[in-house]
Amino acid sequence: NAGVTQTPKFQVLKTGQSMTLQCAQDMNHEYMSWYRQDPGMGLRLIHYSVGAGITDQGEVPNGYNVSRSTTEDFPLRLLSAAPSQTSVYFCASTYREGEGETQYFGPGTRLLVL
Amino acid sequence: AQSVTQLDSQVPVFEEAPVELRCNYSSSVSVYLFWYVQYPNQGLQLLLKYLSGSTLVKGINGFEAEFNKSQTSFHLRKPSVHISDTAEYFCAVTRTLTGGGNKLTFGTGTQLKVEL
Repeated sequence: NAGVTQTPKFQVLKTGQSMTLQCAQDMNHEYMSWYRQDPGMGLRLIHYSVGAGITDQGEVPNGYNVSRSTTEDFPLRLLSAAPSQTSVYFCASTYREGEGETQYFGPGTRLLVL
Repeated sequence: AQSVTQLDSQVPVFEEAPVELRCNYSSSVSVYLFWYVQYPNQGLQLLLKYLSGSTLVKGINGFEAEFNKSQTSFHLRKPSVHISDTAEYFCAVTRTLTGGGNKLTFGTGTQLKVEL
């Protein structure tokens, strides 16, 4: 299994541009999530999905959209990039085992908005 | 809602010395607890997790953590660190009810720097 994959690894945008961060997993996990990581703030949840066709907002959803048309893919869209969205973005999928759940993270996308 | 506090932003330690990275959490309901490690320019890797049962949890790379419900703590320990343990470590918590795995709450991280 490739696990959780993310593309691109790096991206530079100008303010106002839009783009889509791709995330895919081949483990047939139902749950997927997007986080952003900023210095001194840990990881914060942007959006999540409990299955194909179902998404919901996390802690910091403003400026981002998601969709989940298939179990495998969970893209994150920046509608109009702002410098405040400069960050490292991580996608995760969740494996449920008995009473517990474990999240597996992709390698991240480093985004710079000028 | 739950929260996680990692008391130390940086922990310097000499190689082969023991280390403890502290994590305290706050929650009104039962939780699952996790430690993740992030090596430079990489994603997060699961070190260990507490779901239920024994309060002493062993993970990869010789790390272990102890869940202390009365002190709401989940401190990470290693008896003898190696230079390759230099990384950032994140404590995280999620509720046990309603399949809370999508809503991990992370601490702000502890940078472990192992020196020769």
